[in-house]
Amino acid sequence: AQSVAQPEDQVNVAEGNPLTVKCTYSVSGNPYLFWYVQYPNRGLQFLLKYITGDNLVKGSYGFEAEFNKSQTSFHLKKPSALVSDSALYFCASPMYSGGGADGLTFGKGTHLIIQP
Amino acid sequence: GAGVSQSPSNKVTEKGKDVELRCDPISGHTALYWYRQSLGQGLEFLIYFQGNSAPDKSGLPSDRFSAERTGGSVSTLTIQRTQQEDSAVYLCASSQGNPNEQFFGPGTRLTVL
Repeated sequence: AQSVAQPEDQVNVAEGNPLTVKCTYSVSGNPYLFWYVQYPNRGLQFLLKYITGDNLVKGSYGFEAEFNKSQTSFHLKKPSALVSDSALYFCASPMYSGGGADGLTFGKGTHLIIQP
Repeated sequence: GAGVSQSPSNKVTEKGKDVELRCDPISGHTALYWYRQSLGQGLEFLIYFQGNSAPDKSGLPSDRFSAERTGGSVSTLTIQRTQQEDSAVYLCASSQGNPNEQFFGPGTRLTVL
C-alpha cells in the first residue's frame, strides 16, 4: 500500500535559518509526491509536486523539495525561514485501486514554528 | 478564477440528524475528492469522483455516509443519523485529471452535539 511518513510532529527554526521538514515514502512504481501547507483555520494549499525529472523541485513561497530515491525521501526545504512560514505541513501521495489513481494519502503533518 | 467553495462553513447538529455538505469544484476540473480532517485521525480520504463515473465508496467510514456528483460538477456529501464521532472538518478538493495537484476548499466544520 502507498504510504508517506513524517517523522517529526514539530520543527522549530529561527527566522533566517534554513529549514527542513522530513518526509519518507513507501510506494510502488514511480512515485507522485506532493507537499501541502495549512495555515490556521484555512484549507490546504498546494506547495509543490514531484512526478518525474529533476530531483530538486521548486514550488511556491520559495520552498523546494529534494526527491531521493535511494533514501525514499522527499524532504521540504527553504534556504531562509520567515515567521510567516509557521504552519502545518503535509506530505502526500496518491493511493491506487484497480481503477487507477484514487485520493491522496497524507502524512500526519509537521508543525513548523519559526521563531523571530 | 474562483477556487473550490464549500457550504456551509460551519454546521452544528444534534446527534441522529442528517446533514448535507456541498462542494463546488473549480470549473473544468474533472476530478473531485472528499476528505475528513480530525485531531485523532489526521487527514482521511473518503471518496473520489472522476467526471460522471460511479465512485468507489470503500473509503467511506460507514453506510451512513453517501456522496453524489451531479452533472460532473457540484457534489454533496450526506451523513445520515449523525454521531458524535462524525465531528470533523470535511474538505473538498478538485483537480484537472488524477493524479495531479489538488485544490482544496476551506472546509465545512461539522459539530455533532
